[in-house]
Amino acid sequence: DTEVTQTPKHLVMGMTNKKSLKCEQHMGHRAMYWYKQKAKKPPELMFVYSYEKLSINESVPSRFSPECPNSSLLNLHLHALQPEDSALYLCASSQAGGNQPQHFGDGTRLSIL
Amino acid sequence: KQEVTQIPAALSVPEGENLVLNCSFTDSAIYNLQWFRQDPGKGLTSLLLIQSSQREQTSGRLNASLDKSSGRSTLYIAASQPGDSATYLCAARNDMRFGAGTRLTVKP
Repeated sequence: DTEVTQTPKHLVMGMTNKKSLKCEQHMGHRAMYWYKQKAKKPPELMFVYSYEKLSINESVPSRFSPECPNSSLLNLHLHALQPEDSALYLCASSQAGGNQPQHFGDGTRLSIL
Repeated sequence: KQEVTQIPAALSVPEGENLVLNCSFTDSAIYNLQWFRQDPGKGLTSLLLIQSSQREQTSGRLNASLDKSSGRSTLYIAASQPGDSATYLCAARNDMRFGAGTRLTVKP
């Protein structure tokens, strides 16, 4: 069982919908990450939060809006997505600092109609 | 910008073989290098993390080495089993760039 929990596991939404992806960890980690993974491709970093503050935004379009309400939770708010945004969205967490291992959830598989 | 390459892209071996997966990176200023496995439709499972000051790490049948000067890491899997079948990814930890992975199939 993974220690990083992501919900929902699957999400189908239209291009005009608003939805949110959720990620939760109870390992006391103070860094949390969002990745996007297209089929048969490696994960690509989207956002990094460190101590609940956004520290890295890899030039992600504004239709993706991250939020870190507390040290255990990470959300990704979605609005007006495009079909090319269909992918597996992975959340990860680690102790703060670049030399700590990252632990991943099982992801949310997102399909945009 | 860090570029990470994994060779081979796919590998099929009979059960019991020892095998080596390769990972190369262009920027040697890394904090560490982390190896993962990914089963189809699943997230990533961390296997080993080698700090930049270390040369290798071992966990069970897995051994990972790191040579920063040459920009290379290898993952050695001993006595492979069908349950080892998965995609193996390496990630260079300065800006968390992943290689495209090696898809491993171990045949019974």
